[in-house]
Amino acid sequence: AQSVTQLDSQVPVFEEAPVELRCNYSSSVSVYLFWYVQYPNQGLQLLLKYLSGSTLVKGINGFEAEFNKSQTSFHLRKPSVHISDTAEYFCAVTPGGSYKLIFGSGTRLLVRP
Amino acid sequence: KAGVTQTPRYLIKTRGQQVTLSCSPISGHRSVSWYQQTPGQGLQFLFEYFSETQRNKGNFPGRFSGRQFSNSRSEMNVSTLELGDSALYLCASSLGGDGDEQFFGPGTRLTVL
Repeated sequence: AQSVTQLDSQVPVFEEAPVELRCNYSSSVSVYLFWYVQYPNQGLQLLLKYLSGSTLVKGINGFEAEFNKSQTSFHLRKPSVHISDTAEYFCAVTPGGSYKLIFGSGTRLLVRP
Repeated sequence: KAGVTQTPRYLIKTRGQQVTLSCSPISGHRSVSWYQQTPGQGLQFLFEYFSETQRNKGNFPGRFSGRQFSNSRSEMNVSTLELGDSALYLCASSLGGDGDEQFFGPGTRLTVL
């Protein structure tokens, strides 16, 4: 069965520092990859997605992610974080033809002044 | 364009009761998915409907059921509530194609006493 691993449950970082949130998925014939963000007491908002094509994907709020098929990874990066980026970040995959999202356990990004 | 709406936002029930949650998708979206979010299990897929047909379902007991109406609105029902059913239930809608982005509602917070 397909699975998603987010090894870091929490990542503390100072404001304006760069950050990388790691995501690995189990191999499958074809998957679509997503990063979502969840602010307290809210639903999920899509940051970016990879369906095919260029392996470097740019999303909203200055985030980007790189798809690495050989390492089955889809790490999320931001060159300079803001206090407002403090939130829970979820990596997710959709196995082709399944119409469902399989989520990782989430990474809490804590940005300190 | 209005986003995904869920009603009610908060709900308190007692063990053994049943509950119905409602989801109105974004206009034009024909797919509705449901997810359960808990601190212990994270985000788990419940089921997905497209044009009134269930296309996929997760590993939940038969107490969890859903349906979709001709206007794409969806409901999910949980019968014989257990304490462990306390969770945030998230609804998401999409156009319904393979790998299409899912847009999430704010969720319904269910507390079972």
